[in-house]
Amino acid sequence: TQLLEQSPQFLSIQEGENLTVYCNSSSVFSSLQWYRQEPGEGPVLLVTVVTGGEVKKLKRLTFQFGDARKDSSLHITAAQPGDTGLYLCAGAEAGGTSYGKLTFGQGTILTVHP
Amino acid sequence: GAVVSQHPSRVICKSGTSVKIECRSLDFQATTMFWYRQFPKKSLMLMATSNEGSKATYEQGVEKDKFLINHASLTLSTLTVTSAHPEDSSFYICSASPTYRDSVGGSNQPQHFGDGTRLSIL
Repeated sequence: TQLLEQSPQFLSIQEGENLTVYCNSSSVFSSLQWYRQEPGEGPVLLVTVVTGGEVKKLKRLTFQFGDARKDSSLHITAAQPGDTGLYLCAGAEAGGTSYGKLTFGQGTILTVHP
Repeated sequence: GAVVSQHPSRVICKSGTSVKIECRSLDFQATTMFWYRQFPKKSLMLMATSNEGSKATYEQGVEKDKFLINHASLTLSTLTVTSAHPEDSSFYICSASPTYRDSVGGSNQPQHFGDGTRLSIL
């Protein structure tokens, strides 16, 4: 069973601050996805990273995939109240009987105060 | 982009009732769909993998007779919570992705999620 450790679990910051969320595993993933979820809704895909060492930027969000494809980070610059939500990382298992199955991190509840 | 529709969005019913939740992929085919359960302010917990045309694969600790899964077509999977009790109250979410296998046998297609079903058993 693959595990994905996500930290921190809670983050409460002021508008304008920067933050980083981490996901770490001892297992290799074929890809890693980051989602954002608001209460009462399903997770919405932010990005998929596939290649080791890959960096993707989405406006103020920067996503990195570790060289060994075992870890990832999400960095938000100048956070805004609209960034508030539950952030989830999820690693996709490679092939075999677990094809397409995602391993989720514990989630990070981010609150950005005006 | 890929859209997954989940219905109903909210169910309130009496203890002992069976409840069916539908998950549809609207613009792609999915041989595999996934069902999750989520508790407040927690991450998603995989319940089972729904396979088109065959039996679902359940995660350890999930009662297959309690949570019946049927995946009769490439665009529809259903989860039926049988004889629901208050402890079954939760947020249930499905996901699916277009069926595609990359050159090393893995899936780089992201999962797309439904909007979830809030189940409340009185």
